[in-house]
Amino acid sequence: GENVEQHPSTLSVQEGDSAVIKCTYSDSASNYFPWYKQELGKRPQLIIDIRSNVGEKKDQRIAVTLNKTAKHFSLHITETQPEDSAVYFCAANSYGGSQGNLIFGKGTKLSVKP
Amino acid sequence: GAGVSQSPSNKVTEKGKDVELRCDPISGHTALYWYRQSLGQGLEFLIYFQGNSAPDKSGLPSDRFSAERTGGSVSTLTIQRTQQEDSAVYLCASSLLDEQFFGPGTRLTVL
Repeated sequence: GENVEQHPSTLSVQEGDSAVIKCTYSDSASNYFPWYKQELGKRPQLIIDIRSNVGEKKDQRIAVTLNKTAKHFSLHITETQPEDSAVYFCAANSYGGSQGNLIFGKGTKLSVKP
Repeated sequence: GAGVSQSPSNKVTEKGKDVELRCDPISGHTALYWYRQSLGQGLEFLIYFQGNSAPDKSGLPSDRFSAERTGGSVSTLTIQRTQQEDSAVYLCASSLLDEQFFGPGTRLTVL
């Protein structure tokens, strides 16, 4: 079945710097890769996703890149702000597995220092 | 439209008591998921339903945990004889296609 690895587990940056979170997946059949942001005490919410027919997608300060050959995808946040501080989860879709349609990484706690 | 809702939002119980946690998915979503999240930790998958069926229950931590879904809608997660290590936030999510939409969670505290 699908396995998703996420690094780093914690990341601290200065306000205004960029942050990069990386994930790898194992199932070459996966074709949907969402990223969720979970602020303290809140529910995870989708912030951006990418499908395997594109290599990059941008939404303002957030971008995601996908390398299908290497089976890895990354979240890039530019010009970080204190409100970007949260836990970020990557995920990959999976068919026929025991966990339903998405396999999540273990999360990255991002701290943006003002 | 209405999102995923969960009740209660908070539950404090004594060790050894049974608890029921409820999840109301987004109307029309065929898949429903339960996760557990301990403080500062990731999403621990528990169980998912496709319609009313749970294809695999091996994610449930012990036989004290059970879940059901009726009418392809509401789901209940039951924890019998609660233990202190069951204290966590229990998150429910639903999906129709790829994206999972999460509920606000139930914070369970076992004293």
